[in-house]
Amino acid sequence: EIVMTQSPLSLPVTPGEPASISCRSSQSLLFTNGYNYLDWYLQRAGQPPQLLIYLGSRRASGVSDRFSGSGSGTDFTLKISRVEAEDVGVYYCLQTLQTPLTFGGGTRVEIK
Amino acid sequence: QVQLVQSGGEVKEPGASVKVSCKAAGYTFPKNAIGWVRQAPGQGLEWMGWISTYNGNTNYVQKFQGRVTMTTDTSTSTAYMELRSLRSDDTALYYCSRGYSASRRNGGNPWDVFDIWGQGTMVTVSS
Repeated sequence: EIVMTQSPLSLPVTPGEPASISCRSSQSLLFTNGYNYLDWYLQRAGQPPQLLIYLGSRRASGVSDRFSGSGSGTDFTLKISRVEAEDVGVYYCLQTLQTPLTFGGGTRVEIK
Repeated sequence: QVQLVQSGGEVKEPGASVKVSCKAAGYTFPKNAIGWVRQAPGQGLEWMGWISTYNGNTNYVQKFQGRVTMTTDTSTSTAYMELRSLRSDDTALYYCSRGYSASRRNGGNPWDVFDIWGQGTMVTVSS
C-alpha cells in the first residue's frame, strides 16, 4: 500500500498571499506513460470533496487558475497563488496509481 | 446537470447491515466507475473501493473484504454499497464518486480521476 504524507497539518494564511501544501508518497507515482497519478481535493466544511487537480498538474473543470499542481515521482505540491476566503477547508491528496487508492491525512487551511 | 444523489441517513445496531444507494444523473452511467469513500466524524477520508459501471468489476480495500459488496443497476443508473456486520467504528459519512480514466493507460488502477461526488450518507451504528 502506498502511504501518502501531507504537510503541514495546519496552514494559517493571509488573504491575497500565496500558500503551498506538500504531499509525499512512499512510492513513485510516475507511470511509464509519463503521467503522475496524484489528485488534489478540497473539502469545505459540511461539503463533499471537490476535485481541484488530477494527474499531478491538470486543473479540473471550473477550478480557479489560482490553483496549480506540480511535482513528480514522490514529491508533489499544491499552490494557491492568492488565497481567498473561499479557499478555507481541508485539502487532501489522493494517489490513483495502484489499488488500494490512498489519501493523505489532510491539510487544514484557515484564514489568519 | 451531472450529479450523484445518495440515499438518506441510517441508524443501525451493531451486527446489522446497511445498503447505501447512489443515483447518477446527467451522464452515461455505464462508462465509468463509482468509488466509495468514508469519513468518520472529525477524521480524514478513507478509500473503500470501486466498481466499474461498465462490467461490474470491483476492487475492495482489504480491510473491508468479506464485509462490503458494491453493485450497480444500470437500468436505474444507481450504484449500491452494502456493509455488513456493522461495528461502532463504522459510524461515518459515506460518499460515492464518479471515476473515469483521463490517461487511458493499460495496466494498474484503471480509474485515475474521481470528479463528481454525492452529498454523503451518514451511517450511525449504535445500540
